[in-house]
Amino acid sequence: EVQMVESGGGLVQPGGSLRLSCAASGFTVSSNYMSWVRQAPGKGLEWVSVIYSGGSTNYADSVKGRFTISRDNSKNTLYLQMNSLRAEDTAVYYCARATSGYSYELYYYYYYMDVWGKGTTVTVSS
Amino acid sequence: EIVLTQSPATLSLSPGERATLSCRASQSVSSYLAWYQQKPGQAPRLLIYDASNRATGIPARFSGSGSGTDFTLTISSLEPEDFAVYYCQQRGTFGPGTKVDIK
Repeated sequence: EVQMVESGGGLVQPGGSLRLSCAASGFTVSSNYMSWVRQAPGKGLEWVSVIYSGGSTNYADSVKGRFTISRDNSKNTLYLQMNSLRAEDTAVYYCARATSGYSYELYYYYYYMDVWGKGTTVTVSS
Repeated sequence: EIVLTQSPATLSLSPGERATLSCRASQSVSSYLAWYQQKPGQAPRLLIYDASNRATGIPARFSGSGSGTDFTLTISSLEPEDFAVYYCQQRGTFGPGTKVDIK
């Protein structure tokens, strides 16, 4: 069965750090695009970051320079290192596998999140 | 950066009615658009990808259409379990969502 389980969320003070983990089973993390998406309380979905199968990464402007996405192929696990946390980073964080393709029309890779974890809650507060 | 707008923000309908949700992109995304359903306390679920292809296990009452900048998600006859929030997505951008609630 294809599934992902997030962990590592919790309460942290502003300016602090957390590392989220997403353990995958039933598929290989390194062969797929993998993404983090978050949802602040009562708000919509916000894409956070993606790591492409080749290893390159991309980030939302709101987290660029503070968050780092990575993966451990030997553990088949995705990570999100979050530094310099702010109150506005408070959210449920979901990891998601992305199915992808390339558009020769638009000259970019597109992706859709086809498998999601249940999420882990991060609360940034003093 | 592409911006996605969704309308209406809320759609109040009764079970058995047809729901039509709209997503508009600020520039052409060809057919590279997805739709997700999210129920309270649950993770989102992929419904439609490439604008019109149903994901695995998605009932036939869900259909997607459109290309370029204008897209539509249609639920042909609402079932009780379809009352939820629906988001469109293109790469690193999600729309703000449409809530379908019971009238």
